[in-house]
Amino acid sequence: DAGVIQSPRHEVTEMGQEVTLRCKPISGHNSLFWYRQTMMRGLELLIYFNNNVPIDDSGMPEDRFSAKMPNASFSTLKIQPSEPRDSAVYFCASKGGSYNEQFFGPGTRLTVL
Amino acid sequence: GNSVTQMEGPVTLSEEAFLTINCTYTATGYPSLFWYVQYPGEGLQLLLKATKADDKGSNKGFEATYRKETTSFHLEKGSVQVSDSAVYFCALSRSGGGADGLTFGKGTHLIIQP
Repeated sequence: DAGVIQSPRHEVTEMGQEVTLRCKPISGHNSLFWYRQTMMRGLELLIYFNNNVPIDDSGMPEDRFSAKMPNASFSTLKIQPSEPRDSAVYFCASKGGSYNEQFFGPGTRLTVL
Repeated sequence: GNSVTQMEGPVTLSEEAFLTINCTYTATGYPSLFWYVQYPGEGLQLLLKATKADDKGSNKGFEATYRKETTSFHLEKGSVQVSDSAVYFCALSRSGGGADGLTFGKGTHLIIQP
């Protein structure tokens, strides 16, 4: 199993640009989570989906952030427009099957200049 | 709301020393508790978990006991190795197994010197 796949691994962009982060969960998993990691705030849950349906998006910082899960094998997190304070590592995790834990991807390191 | 507090470190120990990383939590109901480990440049990996009071989670020589009376889930290891150097996160979930999102502590950076 390839594990959770995230792309890109690194993204550098300029303030005001649109950024799209991508995640492919482990096949057969029915829950998907987006987290953000910063030095100041640590790891924070942004949003999670069960069976492709957003369940809790209360962690999404503001309207500039949006997430979608059009099918069971793909999710995106979009920031439009991006700001320097969005610089962080964004993790995707998935859960399901007979495993009782969340499996994390390697993360996307976003730098907004 | 839910919260997790853990010592932030860095914690620096010599190889074969005894390790304790403290973790306390605030939550309503009966959360599940977890320790995750993050190696440089990688995502988080589940180290161990406990889903009810007095449960002990263990893996790779690490242990933690779910103490409801003290709302704690301290991580211990009897003899650390250089390969244990990483960042350790304590976390909780309102539901068993993390069916909803996890609430994490700030992380403890552990450095083991040969």
